Amino acid sequence: QLQLQESGPGLVKPSETLSLSCSVSGGSINNSSFYWGWIRQTPGKGLEWIGNVYYTGSTYYNPSLKRRLSISVDTSKNQFSLRLGSVTAADTAVYYCARHIYDRSGSYLVYFDYWSQGTLVTVSS
Amino acid sequence: DIQMTQSPSTLSASVGDRVTITCRASQDISAWLAWYQYKPGKAPKVLMYDASGLESGVPSRFSGSGSGTDFTLSIGGLQPDDAATYYCQQYHSYPWTFGQGTTVEVK
Repeated sequence: QLQLQESGPGLVKPSETLSLSCSVSGGSINNSSFYWGWIRQTPGKGLEWIGNVYYTGSTYYNPSLKRRLSISVDTSKNQFSLRLGSVTAADTAVYYCARHIYDRSGSYLVYFDYWSQGTLVTVSS
Repeated sequence: DIQMTQSPSTLSASVGDRVTITCRASQDISAWLAWYQYKPGKAPKVLMYDASGLESGVPSRFSGSGSGTDFTLSIGGLQPDDAATYYCQQYHSYPWTFGQGTTVEVK
């Protein structure tokens, strides 16, 4: 059974960089069939897709966050990471990592089939 | 971005009731829609894909329908374990977007 587990600070100061990692177990991140993504949940905006990374390092970013965002992959550790810079209180959220799968044709990314349990990150001084 | 609007925001129903949640897309997304179940402290779980496809292992009391802009998730024979928040997600276009959620309370 695939499992994803986030790690990182639960408290970040305003204007600093939020950094999280997601460790994947029960399967290899080095797989051409999936992307690996970050999603967050805020009380005001609900669920928001943040961005995805492929095992090759190729990425998709949400345009609303792109300017501050970096997502990377480390296949040797079977994990991927999120860095979000210049954070404000609006970035306070529960952050999830998830596996983003392709449709049967292998052409289009569709839905997220495995998720982590989520980690709360609070932006506050 | 495609906006996904769910209704109602909250609903309360009794065990055994049939409940329906609606998700409306701001533009035609064909059937490129998934539904998720979220319970606090747990990993969100995909229930439906392609609007009406039941994910493996999901009870058959869950069903989905719709295409274009209007979609529904129904739970036939509500169970106490179905108390959760349900989200729709479109995957017709990047960036992938979610509805704001519908919380189902079980009396």
